[in-house]
Amino acid sequence: SQKIEQNSEALNIQEGKTATLTCNYTNYSPAYLQWYRQDPGRGPVFLLLIRENEKEKRKERLKVTFDTTLKQSLFHITASQPADSATYLCALVRGSGNTGKLIFGQGTTLQVKP
Amino acid sequence: NAGVTQTPKFQVLKTGQSMTLQCAQDMNHEYMSWYRQDPGMGLRLIHYSVGAGITDQGEVPNGYNVSRSTTEDFPLRLLSAAPSQTSVYFCASSKRGTGTTANVLTFGAGSRLTVL
Repeated sequence: SQKIEQNSEALNIQEGKTATLTCNYTNYSPAYLQWYRQDPGRGPVFLLLIRENEKEKRKERLKVTFDTTLKQSLFHITASQPADSATYLCALVRGSGNTGKLIFGQGTTLQVKP
Repeated sequence: NAGVTQTPKFQVLKTGQSMTLQCAQDMNHEYMSWYRQDPGMGLRLIHYSVGAGITDQGEVPNGYNVSRSTTEDFPLRLLSAAPSQTSVYFCASSKRGTGTTANVLTFGAGSRLTVL
């Protein structure tokens, strides 16, 4: 079955450093992959989408890579700040077509220390 | 523009009781879905809808019913609550299309349900 895995251990880094989060998937060939941010007690918020024919996507301090050979996406936050502390979720479209159904990883919690 | 609104935010039920979680969106999105989030499990799809009058099951549909009589509303019903349904529930919506916004979900703030 389709499966997505994120590192369940929390990632602790110092302010100013680059945070790198990993998303691996199996039994799947997605057309694109999404990343969401979730703060405690709130719903996930969409950050970035990367398509299978895009190696890299950037948005301000965020960078996402997508390696369809390794079946892996990396999510980078450069010059990290304490305000970046949150749980980050990766997601793939379930099945084919555009139906709004996503499969989510379990999320990785990032803690940025001042 | 409120986005996706969920009510109630918190609810405590006894085993066997029924209740409805409400979800409404004002973005004219065609697709709506319900997810539950449990520690270490990630978000799991319960039910989804691609338009008014059309619903289908997701990954974990047992114990839940849905209906979609309007584009705006997508309530989730628990007919006989069980402790295994203790979770945080999220409603989400997305727009039909094939562009960069396809399948991008807008989530509500969540409803935390405890079944005793």
